[in-house]
Amino acid sequence: RKEVEQDPGPFNVPEGATVAFNCTYSNSASQSFFWYRQDCRKEPKLLMSVYSSGNEDGRFTAQLNRASQYISLLIRDSKLSDSATYLCVVNGARGTTDSWGKLQFGAGTQVVVTP
Amino acid sequence: SQTIHQWPATLVQPVGSPLSLECTVEGTSNPNLYWYRQAAGRGLQLLFYSVGIGQISSEVPQNLSASRPQDRQFILSSKKLLLSDSGFYLCAWRGTGSPYNSPLHFGNGTRLTVT
Repeated sequence: RKEVEQDPGPFNVPEGATVAFNCTYSNSASQSFFWYRQDCRKEPKLLMSVYSSGNEDGRFTAQLNRASQYISLLIRDSKLSDSATYLCVVNGARGTTDSWGKLQFGAGTQVVVTP
Repeated sequence: SQTIHQWPATLVQPVGSPLSLECTVEGTSNPNLYWYRQAAGRGLQLLFYSVGIGQISSEVPQNLSASRPQDRQFILSSKKLLLSDSGFYLCAWRGTGSPYNSPLHFGNGTRLTVT
């Protein structure tokens, strides 16, 4: 089983609609979580960190469900510019040998916003 | 503010030739530094990370090596490239204050094609 799993998509979303997708992780002791956005042939860029209580940044809302070991990203009022691959990133547990300096990346979920 | 520079942006090299990719970070001291590779249509694979000058941890055994001759300089090398070394190479850094809550920041990447 992969440590971080994402639905590869693509999620085809009409402009203005809402889209949501999840990312599951296997290490129940994971401590920190992030969503990155990667445009085609570009480097990943931090979209937002994911906090235990959930957090919002404009049209983007991130949630963490520790019991079921997943994080989610919701995009409201989708724009054409939201078309990208969204990477889920999970840090290892505090005190484990691989937690220092190592983040686990999902393979990404592709979102395509159509006019 | 912190910036990360990575070069070259693209590179085409024949099989068996050497490789040297360089990455420098500005605006921060003693960062954690990373080299990732992303094969076409695949997720990010951690190759090396460094928590200080001369300290290199290798995640995947292969014909690549890394060095950190200065605090904010990270170099990825190979003596003889293989076809399988083709990919998108990304340098990244993050602060040392809290590794469990600090996101990665990526350079623009080097697209390497081995022919």
